[in-house]
Amino acid sequence: QVQLVESGGGVVQPGRSLRLSCAASGFTFSGYGMHWVRQAPGKGLEWVAVVSYDGSNEYYGDSVKGRFTISRDNSKKMLHLQMNSLGPEDTAMYYCAKSGCSSTNCHMADWGQGTLVTVSS
Amino acid sequence: QSVLTQPPSASGTPGQGVTISCSGSSSNIGGNYVYWYQQLPGTAPKLLIYRNNQRPSGVPDRFSGSKSGTSASLAISGLRSEDEADYYCAAWDDSLSGSWVFGGGTKLTVL
Repeated sequence: QVQLVESGGGVVQPGRSLRLSCAASGFTFSGYGMHWVRQAPGKGLEWVAVVSYDGSNEYYGDSVKGRFTISRDNSKKMLHLQMNSLGPEDTAMYYCAKSGCSSTNCHMADWGQGTLVTVSS
Repeated sequence: QSVLTQPPSASGTPGQGVTISCSGSSSNIGGNYVYWYQQLPGTAPKLLIYRNNQRPSGVPDRFSGSKSGTSASLAISGLRSEDEADYYCAAWDDSLSGSWVFGGGTKLTVL
């Protein structure tokens, strides 16, 4: 069965960087697009970014464009999110999600349990 | 402010039916599939409905989805206490460079 395990969250000061990772298993990782979705405490879901199956296409939400970079390593079945210039508004639970297909415009089909990022001085 | 509009709350008694609406525009719901997610308290979201009205295996047929124009609905029949959760609609949005958009979520209370 699909398993997605996020890591890398923690407390970080405003303006600093953080890199999240997601280890995938139970499916052919190289055949599917992958998403990051976040949820601020007590708030709704916000889509962050998506990468295509081969890493050739990426899309970002407006609030993170230019600051965050999504990437993948198919040989290691790993998804990453490099987050720069972090602000308090980036405080959230970050979920990794497997897409329903290989491209970037397919839905989030399976979700990990999330990793919590807190931006605070 | 979310791109897709959902009522913040809904409620019903066990055995009743309830419907949750999701309103968008031609760039999202009007031209693309709608998806619904269920988030039980303290857990990750789970896919409930895909491509407007399809249920993943394991999702009870008490849950159904529909779409008309720029709006969509999630219907839950025979409410059970374990249905108490937050429900989110989502769709791909074709405007500008493209992005996924969510509704603000609807908290369902089973009275």
